[in-house]
Amino acid sequence: DAMVIQNPRYQVTQFGKPVTLSCSQTLNHNVMYWYQQKSSQAPKLLFHYYDKDFNNEADTPDNFQSRRPNTSFCFLDIRSPGLGDAAMYLCATRGGGQGGNQPQHFGDGTRLSIL
Amino acid sequence: AQSVTQLGSHVSVSEGALVLLRCNYSSSVPPYLFWYVQYPNQGLQLLLKYTSAATLVKGINGFEAEFKKSETSFHLTKPSAHMSDAAEYFCAVSYGGSQGNLIFGKGTKLSVKP
Repeated sequence: DAMVIQNPRYQVTQFGKPVTLSCSQTLNHNVMYWYQQKSSQAPKLLFHYYDKDFNNEADTPDNFQSRRPNTSFCFLDIRSPGLGDAAMYLCATRGGGQGGNQPQHFGDGTRLSIL
Repeated sequence: AQSVTQLGSHVSVSEGALVLLRCNYSSSVPPYLFWYVQYPNQGLQLLLKYTSAATLVKGINGFEAEFKKSETSFHLTKPSAHMSDAAEYFCAVSYGGSQGNLIFGKGTKLSVKP
């Protein structure tokens, strides 16, 4: 089945130690999103790629970076994780080109813990 | 700014009872509307979507939602709750454009009592 896959499902890192989360998709969707979700809250959009065009949300901390080397893969880099960055990180994809009528497809997320 | 309001952060129903989760959006222009479900430690799964076709939309797992433009609402219903329906439910809207970003409600946690 075509899907969005996030690895690892659980990640533990130390305060200040860089960490990378990965997302891959077999849907061949041109848009990929990264969300941060804290407990009992809605997902918060960090940034997204429309093809190779990177779009950063205005309130995303500089500590968060992203790379999309090809259509299938997208990475979230946290350069110096703080305790407040402990959360579930969700990757999503969307196809259909222009317009918002196509739904986003989500991976199962990576739960990040900071020691 | 556009927003989505989900009334009730926590809804509790008995097994077999009607499920009603409320969602209202704030815009004079009807958006595209979505309901997602999230089980513990999982991502969001699409339940159903409204994209300007039929106003009554049927989704997976027996859920359906009705778009009412006059009330700017898109409430989610299921006639008979199952224990497996216990999860967090998010209403989301999109106003189109090349980015198709979603605006989420704060979510409603559904509990189902035996």
